[in-house]
Amino acid sequence: EAGVTQFPSHSVIEKGQTVTLRCDPISGHDNLYWYRRVMGKEIKFLLHFVKESKQDESGMPNNRFLAERTGGTYSTLKVQPAELEDSGVYFCASSQESLTQYFGPGTRLLVL
Amino acid sequence: AQSVTQPDIHITVSEGASLELRCNYSYGATPYLFWYVQSPGQGLQLLLKYFSGDTLVQGIKGFEAEFKRSQSSFNLRKPSVHWSDAAEYFCALAGSNYKLTFGKGTLLTVNP
Repeated sequence: EAGVTQFPSHSVIEKGQTVTLRCDPISGHDNLYWYRRVMGKEIKFLLHFVKESKQDESGMPNNRFLAERTGGTYSTLKVQPAELEDSGVYFCASSQESLTQYFGPGTRLLVL
Repeated sequence: AQSVTQPDIHITVSEGASLELRCNYSYGATPYLFWYVQSPGQGLQLLLKYFSGDTLVQGIKGFEAEFKRSQSSFNLRKPSVHWSDAAEYFCALAGSNYKLTFGKGTLLTVNP
């Protein structure tokens, strides 16, 4: 069974540009989560999808971040326009019954 | 509010020595607790989890953790560390809303 996959693995962009991160959850997992780790800080929750619906987006930093989950399958997280403080590692996780989350390898984003 | 504290930012042990990584939590009810590991260049891998029942939990790679309600702790242990255990370890808590709250992580270095 394939695990959670994320694309790209690394992204380097300039301030003001747009970046879109993609997450493919484990097949059959209705729950999909996004987390972020900024350098030197703890991993923090961004949002939670149940199928295609946003269950909880309380961790989204501001309206420059837009998350979607098409048809309840893969999800994208768009940052537009990117700022320096958006640099970090973005993790995606999925779960079947909500309690046990399986994480992807992360996308390392660097905004210059 | 829920929180997780990992008091040790960096621990160094010799190969073959025993290991204990500390984790304390704050939560108003019985928490769901997890330990994840991130090896260099890898994503977060679930080591073990505690939901209820036996307070001593066995995980993968020879790790175990003990839930102590009276001390609000969930320390991770391994009797004999291998060089491949060098990684960053994260303790996490999930409340009723399932989103994970992470500690800041403990970086483990293993000396030959």
